[in-house]
Amino acid sequence: GAVVSQHPSWVICKSGTSVKIECRSLDFQATTMFWYRQFPKQSLMLMATSNEGSKATYEQGVEKDKFLINHASLTLSTLTVTSAHPEDSSFYICSAGDSYSGNTIYFGEGSWLTVV
Amino acid sequence: AQTVTQSQPEMSVQEAETVTLSCTYDTSESDYYLFWYKQPPSRQMILVIRQEAYKQQNATENRFSVNFQKAAKSFSLKISDSQLGDAAMYFCAYRRYGNKLVFGAGTILRVKS
Repeated sequence: GAVVSQHPSWVICKSGTSVKIECRSLDFQATTMFWYRQFPKQSLMLMATSNEGSKATYEQGVEKDKFLINHASLTLSTLTVTSAHPEDSSFYICSAGDSYSGNTIYFGEGSWLTVV
Repeated sequence: AQTVTQSQPEMSVQEAETVTLSCTYDTSESDYYLFWYKQPPSRQMILVIRQEAYKQQNATENRFSVNFQKAAKSFSLKISDSQLGDAAMYFCAYRRYGNKLVFGAGTILRVKS
């Protein structure tokens, strides 16, 4: 299947700083990527839909100024957590799909963010 | 809005036996896709199996098969000859063409040796 790579896998940052997470589609072009947040033993919560060349669409309750999403190319989307606080500590996963995969969505490896 | 329901928070199965995970969904659409994803302790989301709604034949991938009942809006996953490596959280998901995935709450599967 298609490959989606996410980086970094683990990141620790100080409270008040910003951290960027990258999501790349390695062998296909992704016009749309999705960013999720997951708490322990819970389902994935969609944060936003990232569209190449346009603004992201955020889900209700997600602060767009805090979670900046950029989709500058067909293979790269980034999530920047700005002015991070300990409550932002979580597991973040990106995903993408293409028409050739028959609408199957493939996921990155995920990123653990710890804010201290 | 579409919803996906997994009514079994946890399931257990003996190694080499068969287990079925339940999933129901709600939609007014006729054309859509259904998926089962596996999430092991590594947290990597792994596609197990997918089903196109327009296909009547149930999808099968080696030891994994589904029972797709479109009229009943049911999409259960059967794991045959369960292995220790099957232990994970399993998510049922729904998707319309080009739209986001809608996930169920997940079912934790434990495999006993």
